[in-house]
Amino acid sequence: EIVMTQSPATLSVSPGERATLSCRASQSVSSSLAWYQQKPGQAPRLLIYAASTRATGIPARFSGSGSGTEFTLTISSLQSEDFAVYYCQQYNNWPPYTFGQGTKLEIK
Amino acid sequence: EVQLVQSGAEVKKPGESLKISCKGSGYSFTSYWIGWVRQMPGKGLEWMGIIYPGDSNTRYSPSFQGQVTISADKSISTAYLQWSSLKASDTAMYYCARLYSIAAPAGYWGQGTLVTVSS
Repeated sequence: EIVMTQSPATLSVSPGERATLSCRASQSVSSSLAWYQQKPGQAPRLLIYAASTRATGIPARFSGSGSGTEFTLTISSLQSEDFAVYYCQQYNNWPPYTFGQGTKLEIK
Repeated sequence: EVQLVQSGAEVKKPGESLKISCKGSGYSFTSYWIGWVRQMPGKGLEWMGIIYPGDSNTRYSPSFQGQVTISADKSISTAYLQWSSLKASDTAMYYCARLYSIAAPAGYWGQGTLVTVSS
């Protein structure tokens, strides 16, 4: 099973600033990496797939990069609605499609 | 519009059986994989298994193999997750999600079904 490790566990950032979230895979997943956003009481929402492609309707302030084992999600200018938990997930190898443990993005 | 609508919250006792559902609409139900994801209270997301409703091809995560059964009824565009004997540790939110393809992310999610198992 591929293990996905996210860092940091919690990130405190002020509105308007940039946030950088990291995700590392225990072995290469090529570009088969997605990022999801989850707000309290809501289902996850797909933000990024194929490591760097924004899903439909996702604002341009969200960007993804990386390949192989190292990936980054960047939010260029944080809005109040961006404070949430973010998960990376590899879909290169089943079983299973593993998620990272999540990064909580909180208001500084 | 693609929609996945899940059945309502359940409260069960240990040892009881349960089947929760996920009804798809707005797309060809038989053409896309649907998966189930568990989220235990205050914890992260875990893939349980996926099913292709077109031919009922089902794949389980090793952690959930033998613990649950995933099925689908294409005549009513509905996928299911079932337990034969619930445990307290099955208490969690369960989401269904539609994948773009077998090796693809989940672009659409149901609203979640909260399952509480308590004596």
